[in-house]
Order: sequence, then C-alpha cells, then structure tokens
Amino acid sequence: QVQLVQSGAEVKKPGASVKVSCKVSGYTLTELSIHWVRQAPGKGLEWMGGLDPDEGKIVYAQRFQGRFIMTEDSSTNTAYMELSSLRSEDTAVYFCAREDFSGDNPVALDVWGQGTTVTVSS
Amino acid sequence: DIVMTQSPDSLAVSLGERATIYCKSSQNVFYSSGNKNYLAWYQQKSGQPPKLLIYWASTRESGVADRFSGSGSGTDFTLTISSLQAEDVAVYYCQQYYSSPPAFGGGTKVEIK
Repeated sequence: QVQLVQSGAEVKKPGASVKVSCKVSGYTLTELSIHWVRQAPGKGLEWMGGLDPDEGKIVYAQRFQGRFIMTEDSSTNTAYMELSSLRSEDTAVYFCAREDFSGDNPVALDVWGQGTTVTVSS
Repeated sequence: DIVMTQSPDSLAVSLGERATIYCKSSQNVFYSSGNKNYLAWYQQKSGQPPKLLIYWASTRESGVADRFSGSGSGTDFTLTISSLQAEDVAVYYCQQYYSSPPAFGGGTKVEIK
C-alpha cells in the first residue's frame, strides 16, 4: 500500500523559494510516477508537473517553466518540489500524488499526500 | 492544451435523490489503442486531498460506493450519484490524462437541499 507523507506548512516572503517533500512508503520511489498539484484558497486543482512515462522525463506545466523543479532522492525514497521567485499568488496547498498504471494504461492519480500549505506574505 | 469544462458550478440535491455532474473536454480523450477514455473523477471534501472515484471514465476505484457511476466517451462525460448521502457533500472534479498537460475541470460543489 503506497503512502505519501508531505512536509509541514511553510511561510515565505515574496521572491523566496520553497521546497516541499513527499516521502513515499510501501513502494520504491523510482518505480512510481509522482505528480504535483496545487490548490489556491477557495479555488480548483491545478496540475504543476509530473513524470510522463511516454517521454521518460518530467514534464512541467508551461506557466511554471523556469521556476518549478521536481527532484527525487532514492536513498530516502522522497520526492521534492521546489518553487522559486514566490509571489502572493503562489499561496496554496501543494499536493503530491501517485499516477497508477495498469499495464501501459494510466489509471489516474490514485494516492495523494495530505497537502502542504505554502503561504507567501511580506 | 485540452480544456475541461464542468457544469453546473454547484447543485443542491435532496438526500436520496440523484445528482448528475457534466464534464466536457475540448478534445477527444479516447485512446483507441487501449480502448479507453482517459478521464477521471475525484471527490474532495473540505480540508482533505482529492480522492479518486472513477477512472477510464466508468471504472470505479476499489472501495468506492456503487452509488457513484461514470459514463460518456470522447468529449462528453457524466458523473452520477444515484442516491445522495450526507457524506457525499464535497466538490467533484473531472480530469483528463490523455495528453500533457493533464487538466482538471473547474469543480462542481454538491450540497444537500
């Protein structure tokens, strides 16, 4: 049973960077496709990036290109997301999620972390 | 990019009555090689992460109550709650994962009338 446990809430000033962790248990991280989704207060879900198995690489949403990076540490089975040049509009809950597969068919995001609140305020 | 449009934005349904949510994609999300629509439905209760309810447009995730059902193909999809229960109060999202970037609909808030 895969479980994703995220790091705690963060408060950052505009222009700073934030790094959020997503620790995987019950599975080996390198065998998983991890995605990041965020949700601004009172708003809907916004996909930020994730592993595209067809391309064999991480794909980022265009609007975050250049300031959003996803990394992994296989030694600790932990995925990370880092968002830089923070602005107030980046205030949101950030979720990691596992994309499941059945053979070659993606199943969707079936396991989610609990979410990490990032507040950007001067 | 594929754009997902949900309707209505919100609906209020009496306990035990049917709730129907619509989702339209701007492009076809049917993957012919796999004979599957790459369309999922999620439920999000207040203060919680989303929960996968339906994938491949109509396959219920393990453990999901059978009052939840999904239908549709190509560009038009429906999530139906056959008999609304109090615990179904939530926001529901559709998502296409046919092509990158995977996109969510704007969400539909379901309340008790």
